[in-house]
Amino acid sequence: QSVLTQPPSVSAAPGQKVTISCSGSNSNIGNDYVSWYQQLPGTAPKLLIYDNDNRPSGIPDRFSGSKSGTSATLGITGLQTGDEADYYCGTWDSSLSAWVFGGGTNLIVL
Amino acid sequence: QVQLVESGGGVVQPGGSLRLSCAASGFTFSSYGMHWVRQAPGKGLEGVAFIRYSGSDKYYADSVKGRFTISRDNSRSTLYLQMNSLRAEDTAVYYCAKDGPLLAVNFYYMDVWGKGTTVTVSS
Repeated sequence: QSVLTQPPSVSAAPGQKVTISCSGSNSNIGNDYVSWYQQLPGTAPKLLIYDNDNRPSGIPDRFSGSKSGTSATLGITGLQTGDEADYYCGTWDSSLSAWVFGGGTNLIVL
Repeated sequence: QVQLVESGGGVVQPGGSLRLSCAASGFTFSSYGMHWVRQAPGKGLEGVAFIRYSGSDKYYADSVKGRFTISRDNSRSTLYLQMNSLRAEDTAVYYCAKDGPLLAVNFYYMDVWGKGTTVTVSS
């Protein structure tokens, strides 16, 4: 059972938009920045969004992040088949004194 | 370019020990916090151990506390994870990752990841 809660899977057609939610508590999301990671099959995770809503260089603006209270959301527009991957949210938990991740969301582009 | 390369994985019996290394290059290793993150087969990511840039503060997931020790040698730009009393549930790919901000007091995000090293605990 992960500290942060994500839907196990989401799906949408190419060109459409999808959002992935990440729910936590006051000791994690409510107290710190959220980051998002993309893990393509068989590869290491890659940073997509940091500090709630910032994109590292090289990440297209189709990817966006937001945070409100104890929840965060990853948005992906203009879906491409190459976006099929697992997506994870993460943040520091001050009660656990540990980094915590969501359980991951598998994105299917139909 | 910025790179992290893990090594030291392998097959070990339950109760055994293993030491993982992560060689860093392309950035000033001593200025960044570092993480160990693992992924069991078919499962999600789990933060395992975290160390501040100076090495002065270390934190662990409850699942490994008292069994794993994170350390760093800033003169060698290398991160370590000493794993003792290994259990079957420690079987996973272990990634090292660099924390984002320079000289950060806390941990913020993981902007560089290695390719991982596989640890299998089995008799």
